[in-house]
Amino acid sequence: QKEVEQDPGPLSVPEGAIVSLNCTYSNSAFQYFMWYRQYSRKGPELLMYTYSSGNKEDGRFTAQVDKSSKYISLFIRDSQPSDSATYLCAMSAGDDKIIFGKGTRLHILP
Amino acid sequence: EAEVAQSPRYKITEKSQAVAFWCDPISGHATLYWYRQILGQGPELLVQFQDESVVDDSQLPKDRFSAERLKGVDSTLKIQPAELGDSAMYLCASSIQQGTPLTDTQYFGPGTRLTVL
Repeated sequence: QKEVEQDPGPLSVPEGAIVSLNCTYSNSAFQYFMWYRQYSRKGPELLMYTYSSGNKEDGRFTAQVDKSSKYISLFIRDSQPSDSATYLCAMSAGDDKIIFGKGTRLHILP
Repeated sequence: EAEVAQSPRYKITEKSQAVAFWCDPISGHATLYWYRQILGQGPELLVQFQDESVVDDSQLPKDRFSAERLKGVDSTLKIQPAELGDSAMYLCASSIQQGTPLTDTQYFGPGTRLTVL
């Protein structure tokens, strides 16, 4: 079992829909949880991060962490075609070693 | 806005040839990372530098891969000889210092896409 599991998709949703992206993990030492967005032929860029459990909101994006279930989510409200990208979840136990998921390819249909 | 620079953006080579990738981190960033991202996978760390010193190269295939950061600024990753399985995106990232992901965010460059024929 890999430390971080993420459904690769692709996930296609109509413009304006709410998108839900998820990851599960097995290492209970993970404390830092991140979401990176990667456009085609570009490097990943940090979208959101949270520490420990709870929710964090930033504009149309909400990140949720449930450490008891070892499950994290990213919600995108009012999705736009420009949100079409690969979304990578990433985790760290508190040092600078980051473990990435495979990434979910998201397509927002105009 | 400062960015991590990488070159070349694309490289096609034949197996058994040597290839080299270059990375220039954000100015002032002491920590530099090289990752490999196979198509459909997340990035995996190959080597980490703090200034000019290697702090983690446990996942670097040292029989064919080498990395250096001689003056603690830019860095070169080399593969010799290249194999078919090395086809991937090679990403460079930098952060101000080693630390937690929240205090020392890693910023990624655009990557070098390597195709080995």
